[in-house]
Amino acid sequence: EVQLVESGGGLVQPGGSLRLSCAASGFTFSTYWMTWVRQAPGKGLEWVANIKQDGSEKYYVDSVKGRFTISRDNAKNSLYLQMNNLRAEDSAVYYCAREVRCRDWGQGTLVTVSS
Amino acid sequence: DVVMTQSPLSLPVTLGQPASISCRSSQSLVHSDGNTYLNWFQQRPGQSPRRLIYKVSNRDSGVPDRFSGSGSGTDFTLKISRVEAEDVGVYYCMQGTHWPPCTFGPGTKVDI
Repeated sequence: EVQLVESGGGLVQPGGSLRLSCAASGFTFSTYWMTWVRQAPGKGLEWVANIKQDGSEKYYVDSVKGRFTISRDNAKNSLYLQMNNLRAEDSAVYYCAREVRCRDWGQGTLVTVSS
Repeated sequence: DVVMTQSPLSLPVTLGQPASISCRSSQSLVHSDGNTYLNWFQQRPGQSPRRLIYKVSNRDSGVPDRFSGSGSGTDFTLKISRVEAEDVGVYYCMQGTHWPPCTFGPGTKVDI
């Protein structure tokens, strides 16, 4: 069974940083693209970033370019999202998902950016 | 970026009756490999999204056969043949042809 478990969310002040993690199991992590998607409170889904199997390609939505960095550690079956210079509009539940087109999802981790 | 629209945004349904959601894209979703990467997701209240349909009409494992997807090019439809209580939630279409980024529709809220 595929399992994706996000962690690392919390309350942070504007301008602050957080690092999200996603622990993957139940599939061969190193053979899949991985994706981060977020959902602001009461809002829809927004694709944030994705990363190729070996980390050689990374893509970001325009609103986070230069502030967020996606990475992975295939030896640890883990996906990461380093978020810097956070803004109020980054407040959301962040989901990790398997594959480019989001075949499987984790339960999400809540990020709140507020002073 | 490809813009996805859905209608209606709110869909009151009656148990046992059919329901239908429309999704449209701002450009054709036919990929150069010949596939059309249009997915449908269900998000029940308080839960994370779950993929129901991939590549327009393929049901994911465990998805009841009352759910079906159809369409081509820029126009797509998700149909529920007979709505059950567990179908309440928000349904999103997503295109995965022209990425980055993959883009989602605004969601259709289905309630009884």
